[in-house]
Amino acid sequence: SAVISQKPSRDICQRGTSLTIQCQVDSQVTMMFWYRQQPGQSLTLIATANQGSEATYESGFVIDKFPISRPNLTFSTLTVSNMSPEDSSIYLCSVGGRDRQPQHFGDGTRLSIL
Amino acid sequence: QKEVEQDPGPLSVPEGAIVSLNCTYSNSAFQYFMWYRQYSRKGPELLMYTYSSGNKEDGRFTAQVDKSSKYISLFIRDSQPSDSATYLCAMRGSGGYQKVTFGTGTKLQVIP
Repeated sequence: SAVISQKPSRDICQRGTSLTIQCQVDSQVTMMFWYRQQPGQSLTLIATANQGSEATYESGFVIDKFPISRPNLTFSTLTVSNMSPEDSSIYLCSVGGRDRQPQHFGDGTRLSIL
Repeated sequence: QKEVEQDPGPLSVPEGAIVSLNCTYSNSAFQYFMWYRQYSRKGPELLMYTYSSGNKEDGRFTAQVDKSSKYISLFIRDSQPSDSATYLCAMRGSGGYQKVTFGTGTKLQVIP
């Protein structure tokens, strides 16, 4: 399975600032996925990033708040903009999930907003 | 009603016990069923992956899918303290990229 690396692994940020999370995969993949995992809740899909096109956002998530870049087939970034305490969460990058391929995850970015 | 229901636990068992983890779902279009294990401060790690109904065994782990009842299970035999983690069930439909729906996770503690 693909090896997925995320940076940073954790961060503590001030209210109103923005943070960009990086996701690097060791093989070329068509789709990359960004999830949020809040305490006691299931993983929630934020958006799907396809190289060369705009990311597709799920209901409740907007590009202004969570801009995503996908410059090539092995890399993506998720920015959490104008952060508030409600954005404190774990953000996970994922690949796979087509036909018989299961999804695999990175170790996530643990974000706390003060 | 949630699309996937999973008892959050926590579930505490003695070492060596057989553990049964379960999820129910409502969407009959789900065809692929996954179990992930998530240790504290780590991402979800794929444990078992099955297609349609039936059983799959991998070492001490057995996954069961009953599509007629919309019920999936993960059994852990001879449980070890290292099995202490949160277990997430997940499922999706077939055909291209399909959105994965996750349960909320069951926290398991295996006591030495």
